[in-house]
Amino acid sequence: DAKTTQPTSMDCAEGRAANLPCNHSTISGNEYVYWYRQIHSQGPQYIIHGLKNNETNEMASLIITEDRKSSTLILPHATLRDTAVYYCIVLHTPLVFGKGTRLSVIA
Amino acid sequence: NAGVTQTPKFRVLKTGQSMTLLCAQDMNHEYMYWYRQDPGMGLRLIHYSVGEGTTAKGEVPDGYNVSRLKKQNFLLGLESAAPSQTSVYFCASSYFGRREKYEQFFGPGTRLTVL
Repeated sequence: DAKTTQPTSMDCAEGRAANLPCNHSTISGNEYVYWYRQIHSQGPQYIIHGLKNNETNEMASLIITEDRKSSTLILPHATLRDTAVYYCIVLHTPLVFGKGTRLSVIA
Repeated sequence: NAGVTQTPKFRVLKTGQSMTLLCAQDMNHEYMYWYRQDPGMGLRLIHYSVGEGTTAKGEVPDGYNVSRLKKQNFLLGLESAAPSQTSVYFCASSYFGRREKYEQFFGPGTRLTVL
């Protein structure tokens, strides 16, 4: 099973882009990368996913390196409401959660 | 649509007591899951179900039992609660586990304390 490595915590100034890295060097060719986030004490929420190409939706962008060994979740204009734990998951069903990155958006 | 709901929201038990947590979803999802989350930790899968009448063990199944008698409901039982089962319990559901679009919808959680 492919594992992911994320920094434990990050800070970001409000209004700036938040770039959250994830290493998944053992990912196989048909495994998707999913991102979820968990806002304080709530259930996790789906953000975005991708296989090879970069993806963008109304919440975020996902940049996956060409070798697929790492990816970056980008929140283009972070707000205080984006403060949460962000989980990078190489997809297995059911989802397997690591400890994620605790993002603190600072005013 | 209510999405995924969990009952109760909070509960305090004494060691050795039993209880059942109820999860309900109104999205006609085939798959349902139970996770637990301890302080400062990620979610760990307890049990899951891929359809009515089926259940399977997850990462941490010991001390728990589950049942999926109806498609929309997934019950988690603690037969003899222990302090180590103090945690927040999350239920989730999803459509079939397609890699291309796999989204789990989570409930608000049940905060359980075992004294």
